[in-house]
Amino acid sequence: KNQVEQSPQSLIILEGKNCTLQCNYTVSPFSNLRWYKQDTGRGPVSLTIMTFSENTKSNGRYTATLDADTKQSSLHITASQLSDSASYICVVIDRGSTLGRLYFGRGTQLTVWP
Amino acid sequence: EADIYQTPRYLVIGTGKKITLECSQTMGHDKMYWYQQDPGMELHLIHYSYGVNSTEKGDLSSESTVSRIRTEHFPLTLESARPSHTSQYLCASSGQAPGGELFFGEGSRLTVL
Repeated sequence: KNQVEQSPQSLIILEGKNCTLQCNYTVSPFSNLRWYKQDTGRGPVSLTIMTFSENTKSNGRYTATLDADTKQSSLHITASQLSDSASYICVVIDRGSTLGRLYFGRGTQLTVWP
Repeated sequence: EADIYQTPRYLVIGTGKKITLECSQTMGHDKMYWYQQDPGMELHLIHYSYGVNSTEKGDLSSESTVSRIRTEHFPLTLESARPSHTSQYLCASSGQAPGGELFFGEGSRLTVL
């Protein structure tokens, strides 16, 4: 059973609009959470990392939040651009092993229309 | 830009052929990984290595094999390709810290006819 669930599965928005992507996880014990952006036909690229003690972190127009109590994270994109069209993948790392096992969500496919 | 490279980017071959997907990184990372990704699905770890002469199988069973003779090089080989091997294969590397950032290559899209 996948321990990282992302919603929505896909999303279409108009250029300039804001959107929020959700990630719920059951991974325990929790180490950190990363959001990756994967352009079509390319490898994923890290956008942000959230550790247990962090509630919010920004990277340009991307803002990630984390609620470790409810095990939820969100990625908010402000003033979307056409180049934001991509799959956004939530990855949770557990600290229960020295290997730092990674759990991947299936991603949210975002399409930005002009 | 991450310094990790995969070749070929695209490969279409017939059933029964032997193929090798190449992956090289210039970041000096000890940890390297191979993931398999199908459309709309999560990445599945098929092989990983924590250093030269160290290779382990991942969570997803795979008929492929890997080798790690040099730090920078982590090739994946399929001795006899089948249509079920059609997928996107992503190579990645990371630094020493557990759960550190993964740096991915561009991927190799394999189609077996």
